[in-house]
Amino acid sequence: QVQLQGSGPGLVEPSETLSLTCTVSGYSISSGYYWGWIRQPPGKGLEWIGSIFHSGSTYYNPSLKSRVTISIDTSKNQFSLKLSSVTAADTAVYYCARDGSATLNWFDPWGQGTLVTVSS
Amino acid sequence: QSALTQPASVSGSPGQSITISCTGTSSDLGTYNYVSWYQQHPGKAPKLMIYDVSDRPSGVSNRFSGSKSGNTASLTISGLQAEDESDYYCSSYTDSNTLIFGGGTKLTVL
Repeated sequence: QVQLQGSGPGLVEPSETLSLTCTVSGYSISSGYYWGWIRQPPGKGLEWIGSIFHSGSTYYNPSLKSRVTISIDTSKNQFSLKLSSVTAADTAVYYCARDGSATLNWFDPWGQGTLVTVSS
Repeated sequence: QSALTQPASVSGSPGQSITISCTGTSSDLGTYNYVSWYQQHPGKAPKLMIYDVSDRPSGVSNRFSGSKSGNTASLTISGLQAEDESDYYCSSYTDSNTLIFGGGTKLTVL
């Protein structure tokens, strides 16, 4: 079955760029679907960051759009998130997930989540 | 974009039914049937429970059902069980070609 595994630094300094990668197994991401990033600050709710179609088209949360880049590497079966100029407010668990429909819609499955703390 | 509105908490006794509401606007779930619901236990990744308003993924109990009327979607859990105690989030597609989540609802099984 499809599995997603997020990876990246757990600590990022303020004003730096947060970089995470999601490795997909059990499915070739070049074959289809949207692939997304969602985050959850400690004790708070879920926030959609953005999604990328297998062809490379991207869709971002307007509140984060100026700082977010999502890319896809089909040769490695991975997609990645970069969030620039981070502050303490960007401290969160970051999830990667597959959008299981033909549009921006529902996520299944999800990766295990990566806690990223922004602190000096 | 503003988050969808969910009650902060709901509760029910074992065996009872509860309903969690999710209110949006005509720019999101009021127009589109792309509404999904997720269950999240502490320290775990969210789990898809309902998609496209009322469809259940394979393996999800038929005690979980979804519906929509106007700008409000609802998740109903019947025959409440202790294992249903969790946080629940709704999500919707928007006319800006984005996704939004609700603020989340904590379900307590008394």
